[in-house]
This record gives sequence, C-alpha cells and structure tokens, in this order.
Amino acid sequence: QKEVEQNSGPLSVPEGAIASLNCTYSDRGSQSFFWYRQYSGKSPELIMFIYSNGDKEDGRFTAQLNKASQYVSLLIRDSQPSDSATYLCAVDSGGYQKVTFGIGTKLQVIP
Amino acid sequence: GAVVSQHPSWVICKSGTSVKIECRSLDFQATTMFWYRQFPKQSLMLMATSNEGSKATYEQGVEKDKFLINHASLTLSTLTVTSAHPEDSSFYICSARVRNYNEQFFGPGTRLTVL
Repeated sequence: QKEVEQNSGPLSVPEGAIASLNCTYSDRGSQSFFWYRQYSGKSPELIMFIYSNGDKEDGRFTAQLNKASQYVSLLIRDSQPSDSATYLCAVDSGGYQKVTFGIGTKLQVIP
Repeated sequence: GAVVSQHPSWVICKSGTSVKIECRSLDFQATTMFWYRQFPKQSLMLMATSNEGSKATYEQGVEKDKFLINHASLTLSTLTVTSAHPEDSSFYICSARVRNYNEQFFGPGTRLTVL
C-alpha cells in the first residue's frame, strides 16, 4: 500500500511568517511530487510540482524534495490570510499511474 | 494551465434516482481521467481511473455497478450514480491528465445531495 503522510493540522502561523508544510511517502520508487491547495468547498488547484532532489522556487512558494529521506515539503514565505487553506501533498510513482494524495494539512494564517 | 469543467456544479435528487455528472477537458485531450469523492473534512478518495476507449479501473470498495463511468472521447468522461442514496451525498471531483505529463488538472467539483 503506497502511503502519503501529512499532519492534518491545523497549522497556525501569523501573517508575514513562513509556513512549513511537510509530507512523507512510503514508495521509494516515487518520481513526481505535487502540492495542491484546496479552499473549503472547492476542488484542488496545483501550486507546484517537483521531480528532482533539492529546492524549487516559484514566487513565495518553495518545494523541497529529499528522496533519500522520502520527504517533501512546501514553504510559504510572507504568509497571507488568503493562503489559509488545506494543502494536499500528492505522489506519483511513475508510469502515469494514479497519484496518491495525503490527507492534507490545514493552514491558518492569522492576521 | 489546462481547464477541466464539470456539470452540474451541484445537484439535489431523491433517493433511488440516478444522477449523471460530466467531466470535460476544454483545451486539451485527456488520455486519463480520474474520479474522486470527498466527504466533509476528509481527503480526496480516488474512486476510479478512466482511460479513453477502455473500461474504468475501480478502487477497492467502490461498486462499479453503482458508479458507472464512461470515457467515450478524449475530452469527456461521465460518472453516473445509480439508485442514489443519502450516503452517496458527497463532493465528486474529476481530474484529467495528458499523456507524457504528470500533472492532474481538477474540475471544479459537483456537490451531490440525495434526499
């Protein structure tokens, strides 16, 4: 059973701070990693994807991947109240198979 | 990014009736579409994977005779909830992916309420 683990939270951070969201996965053969944001009552939207070890930055978002530790994270700099949402980690084991989603971490940015 | 639409966005029906939900990729051809269900305060649960022109692959515990999936073209997949009951009330979300790309693009979801 391929698993993706996330702390469900809520994770509360003050406005302007860095929010750090973490995710671990069980399938060592996983190749692609995604972060989705889901607002309450809405469907997920893709924020970032990462394939290689290291960091990938896009605006205020940085995805970090460590395949040896089977760990992927998302950093949100200068957090805003509009960033308050549930963040889903998703892992693809390759071969265009289904993606496995974590339970999601609820982020609350306090003004 | 690629756009995926769903119709209807919400539906209320009586117990025992069937409901059809459409999922369309508007500006790309989706070789694979996925159907998810999400209950309140829970994560996405994959129901089935649908490839164009072939039978859907259902996840364990999902009744294929109750949740009928048709993927007749590269831009359209449908989910029919047959003989719906109140416990089928949920948020149904489809997603689509293109061959050679890993990203899934999600539709806006359909909220089903069965009375």
